[in-house]
Amino acid sequence: GIQVEQSPPDLILQEGANSTLRCNFSDSVNNLQWFHQNPWGQLINLFYIPSGTKQNGRLSATTVATERYSLLYISSSQTTDSGVYFCASSRGDSNYQLIWGAGTKLIIKP
Amino acid sequence: DAGITQSPRHKVTETGTPVTLRCHQTENHRYMYWYRQDPGHGLRLIHYSYGVKDTDKGEVSDGYSVSRSKTEDFLLTLESATSSQTSVYFCAISESGEQYFGPGTRLTVT
Repeated sequence: GIQVEQSPPDLILQEGANSTLRCNFSDSVNNLQWFHQNPWGQLINLFYIPSGTKQNGRLSATTVATERYSLLYISSSQTTDSGVYFCASSRGDSNYQLIWGAGTKLIIKP
Repeated sequence: DAGITQSPRHKVTETGTPVTLRCHQTENHRYMYWYRQDPGHGLRLIHYSYGVKDTDKGEVSDGYSVSRSKTEDFLLTLESATSSQTSVYFCAISESGEQYFGPGTRLTVT
């Protein structure tokens, strides 16, 4: 099955800094999503991005499906960006099961 | 935000008792999922449904059963709760690949 690996596992930044989070997946996928889990445990959809580039305000994401990786960019970090960022992908032959990475824990210091 | 509610939001129960968690959606999405999240991990799929009365197992289905008698409701039952089932349970819905998550249920089995 698909293996999903995220890096770095932890990241501590000052407010205003930029960051890049990486997600590698081991096989072809037909779904890749980025989520933010806030300190209250809520899972927030950031991007649905099986390929290409998308932007939403200070966040953007790029997936290069042929090279099996996705990147999440956060610019001008704010303390509210703190939390855990997960990427998850589903098998090339099914939309049923999302396989999750272990997450990147991001702490933004004021 | 996708219209997904979970009930109860918190529950403490004793080992050996049955427990049922409910997921309700107002989006009329075909697919519904139950995941569990344990500390330091991403989510793992317990069961999913691809239509009324159509369900299948995920990667951690032992000790759990599900039912879907209406499009909008997906029930997760722990027949006889064990301490290893202490976790946060998330419901998700999907129509065309992208999954949206409910607020979660924190279950503690003592």
